Amino acid sequence: DAKTTQPPSMDCAEGRAANLPCNHSTISGNEYVYWYRQIHSQGPQYIIHGLKNNETNEMASLIITEDRKSSTLILPHATLRDTAVYYCIVRVAYYGGSQGNLIFGKGTKLSVKP
Amino acid sequence: EAGVTQFPSHSVIEKGQTVTLRCDPISGHDNLYWYRRVMGKEIKFLLHFVKESKQDESGMPNNRFLAERTGGTYSTLKVQPAELEDSGVYFCASSPHRGNNGYTFGSGTRLTVV
Repeated sequence: DAKTTQPPSMDCAEGRAANLPCNHSTISGNEYVYWYRQIHSQGPQYIIHGLKNNETNEMASLIITEDRKSSTLILPHATLRDTAVYYCIVRVAYYGGSQGNLIFGKGTKLSVKP
Repeated sequence: EAGVTQFPSHSVIEKGQTVTLRCDPISGHDNLYWYRRVMGKEIKFLLHFVKESKQDESGMPNNRFLAERTGGTYSTLKVQPAELEDSGVYFCASSPHRGNNGYTFGSGTRLTVV
């Protein structure tokens, strides 16, 4: 089962910031937080990941609380093309070895409206 | 660089027939994963290759499913004989051997068993 809890749906106005929350209260010290999204029927797309520090890339920012029990994905200026299902996933970090699999939950369906 | 390529994009077969799905990962990616989403369910892990070896096949539903990755390059997933409940979208993903970066998913193969 997924180790994360997300709201089933959210709306956001085009051009505004979209803030997607995720609870992962049972996260372990060696687990990363990953975010993926699935636009319509395409394959999931990697967005960002982090361990304990906040992270930013060209797509989004990831804010992780100090106790690591929750996080927020921020899309700073949402567009209509950001309408998708967003998945928050925790996964054990691998050091020097192979990576493990991802456990997808139901995610948050984000609808960006004009 | 070329992304993860899956073939075919769609397949419609009759119950009892055999279907083979193919995945070409990103060149140089040692990790290759198969996932699937059946109607109304979450995306589920099937198995994980590291090069040509099966690292984890705990998600394979039954012995009608056979995955191979000869030579550690492309992979095939064969369903024989196909059943109605096998209908869904099959995704392949790949990632480098080391590091904790996200996976790159293909666009998927939509399998319909009638």
